[in-house]
Parts: sequence; C-alpha cells; structure tokens
Amino acid sequence: NAGVTQTPKFQVLKTGQSMTLQCAQDMNHEYMSWYRQDPGMGLRLIHYSVGAGITDQGEVPNGYNVSRSTTEDFPLRLLSAAPSQTSVYFCASSRLTSGIRTDTQYFGPGTRLTVL
Amino acid sequence: KQEVTQIPAALSVPEGENLVLNCSFTDSAIYNLQWFRQDPGKGLTSLLLIQSSQREQTSGRLNASLDKSSGRSTLYIAASQPGDSATYLCALGSGTYKYIFGTGTRLKVLA
Repeated sequence: NAGVTQTPKFQVLKTGQSMTLQCAQDMNHEYMSWYRQDPGMGLRLIHYSVGAGITDQGEVPNGYNVSRSTTEDFPLRLLSAAPSQTSVYFCASSRLTSGIRTDTQYFGPGTRLTVL
Repeated sequence: KQEVTQIPAALSVPEGENLVLNCSFTDSAIYNLQWFRQDPGKGLTSLLLIQSSQREQTSGRLNASLDKSSGRSTLYIAASQPGDSATYLCALGSGTYKYIFGTGTRLKVLA
C-alpha cells in the first residue's frame, strides 16, 4: 500500500493564481482531511470529508475549496492565492469507527507552498 | 473552545534517559487522543491512539497515558536513543470529526 500520497511536494505561486493540491489514499478510508501547518501555530484543520460527496469546513476554510467524488481522492483548491496561504499542507485519512468517530490518522508527506 | 498545550516546547536529553512529554487540554469531552512523531521536513507518523475509555496504551519503548479528569496526557519514552530525536505532537479528537493539535515538543537526544 502506498498509504497517503500528495502532489506536488513543492509549489511557488504568484498572488492571485489558482491551483489544486492533490491527495490520494489506497486504504479505503472514509475520512479524509486537509491541514495547514504554520510555525508556532501547530496544525489547523481546513476541510474534511466523511465519504464521497460529503465535505465540511474545519477551523480555517476561507480561500479553499474541496470536493470528494471518489473514496480515494480529496483535492484541495486554492481559488486566488494570497501570501497568507504560504504554508505546509498535509492531507490525512482515517477509517471511521461506528460510522461516526475517526480512528488512527495517517498523514501524507506534505506540500510546501509559497505564495509571492 | 478546546485548547491544547504541550510543555516544554523543546527538550534536550542525553542518550539512555527515560523522559516524559506532556499534553494538557481544557475540555475533557474528548473521544480519543493521538500522539504523533514528525521528523524535519516530513509528514506525521502515528505513534499511539488512546480511546476516551482507556487509561493508557503501550508500543515498544513508548507508553501513553490519558487522564481526562485532570485534562492531561503523557508520552513516556524509555531508554531514549538519538533516533528518537523529532517533534512530538498530541492531537485530541474533540467534537465530531475534528482534531485539535498541540504545537509540539521538539526533542533532541544527544549521543
């Protein structure tokens, strides 16, 4: 199993550009999520999904869109990049227990994004 | 609002020492707590998951405990090795589907 994969590993954008960060998992996990990690602030939840067609907002959703058309993939879209979105982005997945609670979370290697 | 604190922010110990990392939280209404390890420039690796009904979990040289009444979890590392050097993060499953992370403790084990 490849686990959780993310592409690209690094990306530089100019202010106002849009792009999509890709995330895929091969563990048939229902739950997938996106976090951003900033120095001194820890990881913060952006969006999450509990299955195909079901997404919801986390703590810091503004400026980001997600969709979940398959169990395996959960892309994160930056609509109009801003310097404040410079960060390291992590995707994670987990199975759900009893259909409502996340179990052990597995993380991808991250995407380091710089917005100029 | 749930707040998660990890103290100290950084720790340096000689090889072979037993050590304890702390994770404190303000709201005891959690359903699980997970400890992770993060190496520089890498993703997070899960170490231990404790369900709210459990008091502790063990894996090899690692032992994690959970005391909801005092709002505290500890990660005990026995016989530390230079390969244990990393940042250790705790995360609380608090509220439906959402995890709250601490800012981590950066551990350096000196050979």
